[in-house]
Amino acid sequence: DQQVKQNSPSLSVQEGRISILNCDYTNSMFDYFLWYKKYPAEGPTFLISISSIKDKNEDGRFTVFLNKSAKHLSLHIVPSQPGDSAVYFCAASGNQFYFGTGTSLTVIP
Amino acid sequence: DAGVTQSPTHLIKTRGQHVTLRCSPISGHKSVSWYQQVLGQGPQFIFQYYEKEERGRGNFPDRFSARQFPNYSSELNVNALLLGDSALYLCASSFPSGLYGNTIYFGEGSWLTVV
Repeated sequence: DQQVKQNSPSLSVQEGRISILNCDYTNSMFDYFLWYKKYPAEGPTFLISISSIKDKNEDGRFTVFLNKSAKHLSLHIVPSQPGDSAVYFCAASGNQFYFGTGTSLTVIP
Repeated sequence: DAGVTQSPTHLIKTRGQHVTLRCSPISGHKSVSWYQQVLGQGPQFIFQYYEKEERGRGNFPDRFSARQFPNYSSELNVNALLLGDSALYLCASSFPSGLYGNTIYFGEGSWLTVV
């Protein structure tokens, strides 16, 4: 039973444009959400997080939006850079951390 | 400061054998958790330890066990290995408890291949 879902396995974006990665969850009790970035042969690297009491959190080029009524969060990367090409995982915190299956982002130079 | 360190980075085991994976958390972090990631999937929670006590367990068989030492490092043990145990095993640390609003930081992982 997948409690966190990333329905887009892959995304391609032109360099300099916006990348939008989406994530849906099913459990309304989740209170903390995170995004991780993973390069091949490396562990996931923490990017940005958001508490359920907020609807937006920004850190440089990365912004996470949370829509609790829709149980949906998204990660915006502006402007996208070739070095952003990686797999992005969203995660939700409840009694444990639940991860989505990832979205592979390719930024085309 | 050193991040989360894991060893070994790669290993190959035969079905039926056991394996021990090791993890040292970020300095000052008291919580360690373990995840299994198979190809095409996100990390799946196995265990979480805080102050040497098990605080959470995922949906994994009893062949999987773990412990945390007084210096907060941790071991993950898997007995009677199956081919399906082949995966990337990730250790993550956090301060203080690792759940409910705390960020977890991952190591590079240990790649286990069971043949």
